Order: sequence, then structure tokens, then C-alpha cells
Amino acid sequence: GAGVSQSPSNKVTEKGKDVELRCDPISGHTALYWYRQSLGQGLEFLIYFQGNSAPDKSGLPSDRFSAERTGGSVSTLTIQRTQQEDSAVYLCASSTTRQGHQPQHFGDGTRLSIL
Amino acid sequence: GEDVEQSLFLSVREGDSSVINCTYTDSSSTYLYWYKQEPGAGLQLLTYIFSNMDMKQDQRLTVLLNKKDKHLSLRIADTQTGDSAIYFCASGEGGSYIPTFGRGTSLIVHP
Repeated sequence: GAGVSQSPSNKVTEKGKDVELRCDPISGHTALYWYRQSLGQGLEFLIYFQGNSAPDKSGLPSDRFSAERTGGSVSTLTIQRTQQEDSAVYLCASSTTRQGHQPQHFGDGTRLSIL
Repeated sequence: GEDVEQSLFLSVREGDSSVINCTYTDSSSTYLYWYKQEPGAGLQLLTYIFSNMDMKQDQRLTVLLNKKDKHLSLRIADTQTGDSAIYFCASGEGGSYIPTFGRGTSLIVHP
């Protein structure tokens, strides 16, 4: 597709379950970012990929959160043993590789609700 | 680290101009961005300005940059109800791949 695609668009799960969120970036974009947006809050940076490696994962809130990227394309964000405070919108963005100038293209996000 | 600040809310009447303000702390910020987020959607890049520019105009949008005061503004002329959204300011520093976002300004346009 032409834009960044995220799936699922909505996910409701019980506390303690694991969830996987998927991001399909724009073709050719080597940089990929995950953010978390809680109700009424701004963007919280989680992790940045350059190709398949993650030079900056400083924003991951705990060791329950992990992410990987394969083939320089699709990325998966995994949250293990979900907690209610994990409820948020998880946004993925991609951009071309260029230091300094990083206009980002965002997906519509996955709305995660933990019961 | 870099900090980007925005006021949280702005309410304007349809047809008036809206001005959304942003301040940043990193004087080495090279690129400054405005994004728009409509309900249930991701962020959409509206416009950006390089630090060697003072102003950029794109149809109803005017971006002004005051480097000395580290102040960025977005003016929307003839604001319409469809402009109601959250507007995010972001800055990119020359040596970084990760921009810093403000918390967003909710623009409410009423008839």
C-alpha cells in the first residue's frame, strides 16, 4: 500500500495475556519508529529501528516490551503479561534515512485496551 | 535533552485565524515540523521548516520561526471546522534520527 499500515486497528485483551502489534512501513523506508499515545497525552517514544537493528530502544517502559523488525520491513511490537496501564494507542511511523530531517509517515495506530 | 512545549488548548471561531505556538530548547534544532492528528487517526505531516528560514507559507498555513527565541508558530487562515484536531510541533536535531514531539495543542473550531 501507499501508507504505513498497522494491525490490528483495535485489540481488547485480558490482563496478563501477551499481545503482538504489527507495523508495515512504506516501502523503501529504512527508519521505523514505535510510539505510545495515552489518553490526553502526547507521544511517548518507544523504539527506533534502522534497517533490522534498533540503535535506540531507550523508551521501552519495561522488559515486558520487545520489538523486532525483519527483512528491513515489517516490525512487531510485543507486550508480554499485559497490565491495565498498557492501555493506549500504539503508533508506528516510518521515514527515509537522513540525519536531522526526519519527516515521519504515521499509521493510524492500534488501540489497545486491557481489561 | 530537547524539550518542546505547546499550550494544550485553543478555541477559535470559524473563519477566524488560528495561531498555535511552540517553543523548543535545543538551539541546534535543524528541522521543525507541524503534524495534525484527527480523531482515530495517526499523525499527518502538515509542513516543516528548516532552521535557516524565517517563514514558510503553504496555502492557508503560515509557519514562522524565531530562532533567537526558539519559538515556532503555525497560523491557519480562515479556520474551518475541519481544522479541528490536535496539532503537534516537533524538532529534529542535525545529528539525531529521532525527532522530539510536543504534547500537542487541541484546536477547537466553533461556528
